[in-house]
Amino acid sequence: AQKVTQAQTEISVVEKEDVTLDCVYETRDTTYYLFWYKQPPSGELVFLIRRNSFDEQNEISGRYSWNFQKSTSSFNFTITASQVVDSAVYFCALSGGGSNYKLTFGKGTLLTVNP
Amino acid sequence: EAQVTQNPRYLITVTGKKLTVTCSQNMNHEYMSWYRQDPGLGLRQIYYSMNVEVTDKGDVPEGYKVSRKEKRNFPLILESPSPNQTSLYFCASSLYTGGFAEAFFGQGTRLTVV
Repeated sequence: AQKVTQAQTEISVVEKEDVTLDCVYETRDTTYYLFWYKQPPSGELVFLIRRNSFDEQNEISGRYSWNFQKSTSSFNFTITASQVVDSAVYFCALSGGGSNYKLTFGKGTLLTVNP
Repeated sequence: EAQVTQNPRYLITVTGKKLTVTCSQNMNHEYMSWYRQDPGLGLRQIYYSMNVEVTDKGDVPEGYKVSRKEKRNFPLILESPSPNQTSLYFCASSLYTGGFAEAFFGQGTRLTVV
């Protein structure tokens, strides 16, 4: 069975602080995919990144960066110089690469960035 | 514009009154699925479809039905809604199965059953 754990339920930071959202996953699949989605207060789910299990390169996109470590089964997400617009719920998700493209989601981390 | 469209966005209904939430995608995606989001539980898959006329249960299928008569549409049917189906529902579609491509999500449907 697959499982995604986001241990941080809520995080509150002040604008311009860096913040890291943790994600730990469990899977028996050798091929799998990891995702991060953002859910702003308006409620929609916004795709941020997809990473496959063969690619452990870290990724940077503007103020966002992701650290994938297979050895610790973690896929952490860092926002540098946070902004109020980053306030949202962030979900980490896992897909096993099987015939059912089911995303197993973590319970989410509510990030609040205060001015 | 590539998108997944759900309707309605908000719905309040009474226990036992059949309802349908529609989902349509314009990207010619083969794979579509439904999720429900509940506080403290994240998102859980209800049903999925790998192509026309091919549907299967996800993790929480009880009380729901789906159909896939056309590639673009994947409606979610609640034959006899109950208060425990009050939730935020998302439809998703993807070009491929197996995680090769990102899933596009609809805007969500907030359902309240009283």
